[in-house]
Formats: sequence, structure tokens, C-alpha cells
Amino acid sequence: AQSVTQPDIHITVSEGASLELRCNYSYGATPYLFWYVQSPGQGLQLLLKYFSGDTLVQGIKGFEAEFKRSQSSFNLRKPSVHWSDAAEYFCAVGDTGTGTASKLTFGTGTRLQVTL
Amino acid sequence: DADVTQTPRNRITKTGKRIMLECSQTKGHDRMYWYRQDPGLGLRLIYYSFDVKDINKGEISDGYSVSRQAQAKFSLSLESAIPNQTALYFCATMRGRANTEAFFGQGTRLTVV
Repeated sequence: AQSVTQPDIHITVSEGASLELRCNYSYGATPYLFWYVQSPGQGLQLLLKYFSGDTLVQGIKGFEAEFKRSQSSFNLRKPSVHWSDAAEYFCAVGDTGTGTASKLTFGTGTRLQVTL
Repeated sequence: DADVTQTPRNRITKTGKRIMLECSQTKGHDRMYWYRQDPGLGLRLIYYSFDVKDINKGEISDGYSVSRQAQAKFSLSLESAIPNQTALYFCATMRGRANTEAFFGQGTRLTVV
């Protein structure tokens, strides 16, 4: 069964500082990988996704993530955090057995706090 | 209008009551999902459906049932609500094709007292 680990429950960074949120997955083949963001009181919005090809993927709002097969990781990065980035971030893995991500398994989330 | 709409957005109900959460979508996607979110546990899959005639249990389906009334509608029912079903519930849709992502509704906050 697939699984996702987000080891950091809560991270605090200063505005303008760089950010890296960790995500490790467990899956028997090359997975589909996603990062979603949830702002307070909102649903989940897709930041970026990896299906194949270039292992460094660019997303919205200046985020990027790098797929590292050898480390089973898909860490999310941003070079300079803005106060509006404060939210909860979820990494997810999609199974690829049928050629599509038929269902997603989510990590437990990382809550990002940004200090001014 | 939102592509994935959940109703109600908030609900307080009593233990033992039956309650239905509804989800409708205008994205034309085949696949629909119900997740629940609890603090520290992330999102966990309750049920999912690949089309009107296809319903599948997720990892935490006990105490829940679903109905796929049409391609665009997918309802989640709690037959006899209990306090540990207090959570934030999300409906999601996905196109049944490669290289696609899930689209989420705004969520329903359910409190069972």
C-alpha cells in the first residue's frame, strides 16, 4: 500500500526566508506526486504535480519541488516566503496501476507559520 | 460558481441522527471522492466512485455510506452519527484520464454532539 510521510508537523519561517517542506513516499513503482495547499477555511488547491520527465517541477505561487527517486522524496521549496504563504501543506501520492492516479493518499500535513 | 460544491458548509447534529452531505460538480469528471480531515491525521479516503455504477470503499468506510445519483452528484451519509465522526469532510473530483489531479470542494464542517 502506498503511504506518505511529512515529518514536520509545524514550521515557522521569517518572511523573505527560504522554505523547504519535506515529503517522503512509499510506493512500489514510479508514483504520481502532488503538493496541495489549504488556507484557513478553504479547500485544497493544487500547487504542483509530478507525473514523469523532468524531476524538478515548477508550480504556482513561486513553489517548486524535486522528485528524488533514490530518496523516495518530493520536497517542496520556495526561495522567499511571503506572509500569505501561511497555510497547511499536504503532500500526496497517486497510484499509477491503471495508468491514472485513481486515488490519492495524503500525508498528515505541515502547518507553515510566517513571521514578519 | 465553484466547480465542486458541497452542501451544507457547516452542520451540527446530534448523536444517533442520520445526516447526508452532498456534493455536486460541473467539471464533467467521472471520478468522485469523499475524504475526511482530522487534525494531525491529514485527509483519509472514505469512499470513491469511478462512475455511476461503480462504488468503492476507502480506508475508513465504516459508519458511512454513499450514493452516486448521477455523474455530477455524490452524496455521503452517516446513518447514525457518533461524536468521533466530527471532522471536516471534503468531496473531490478527478478526470478519468492520465496525468490529472484532484479538484476539491470547500469542505463541510460536521459536528456531532
